[in-house]
Amino acid sequence: DAGITQSPRHKVTETGTPVTLRCHQTENHRYMYWYRQDPGHGLRLIHYSYGVKDTDKGEVSDGYSVSRSKTEDFLLTLESATSSQTSVYFCAISETLGGYNEQFFGPGTRLTVL
Amino acid sequence: AQTVTQSQPEMSVQEAETVTLSCTYDTSESDYYLFWYKQPPSRQMILVIRQEAYKQQNATENRFSVNFQKAAKSFSLKISDSQLGDAAMYFCAYDVANKLIFGTGTLLAVQP
Repeated sequence: DAGITQSPRHKVTETGTPVTLRCHQTENHRYMYWYRQDPGHGLRLIHYSYGVKDTDKGEVSDGYSVSRSKTEDFLLTLESATSSQTSVYFCAISETLGGYNEQFFGPGTRLTVL
Repeated sequence: AQTVTQSQPEMSVQEAETVTLSCTYDTSESDYYLFWYKQPPSRQMILVIRQEAYKQQNATENRFSVNFQKAAKSFSLKISDSQLGDAAMYFCAYDVANKLIFGTGTLLAVQP
């Protein structure tokens, strides 16, 4: 257990509203990630962070922003949610084990945009 | 660009039998890591096995083993003595600069 929690676990919102998802870790890991999972696409990287205030874009970053003001929290914001952002969102951390980096995932957040 | 391809959207296996899930990838790197993740209906992502590209020996974890063919860029997962609890979605993933690229997944059903 890498001590990763996500909140909320489920959310239903309407098109055009802002949404923020929170990822919290308890073990001081430097790298944190946000992925989305959609049928037929597997998991795709949205944004990641390699330290406090250090973030970068992933494969599918359009329409999303992130912030990391503390090591333990990584926030994903949808400024104006659209139906295409209905998905399951996973947060992950990276831990170096025996010379390689292993990612551990949170439980996921199911977001529905109506 | 690195890509990961899983060509089998669904597979089925009888309990106690062996099944092999396929994965191919594309990269110009010489040293990298490959992973298989399992996602049961609970949605939790669970690491099954990993392979380091510079190691020729195929990785093994209990009933799970891989057939890693570096030249062919192939990384298949073999599950021996399949159990009902193995039923899940399986994702192949490639690590590039500490970021994972996933395949689209194979849904494995285990028949009693």
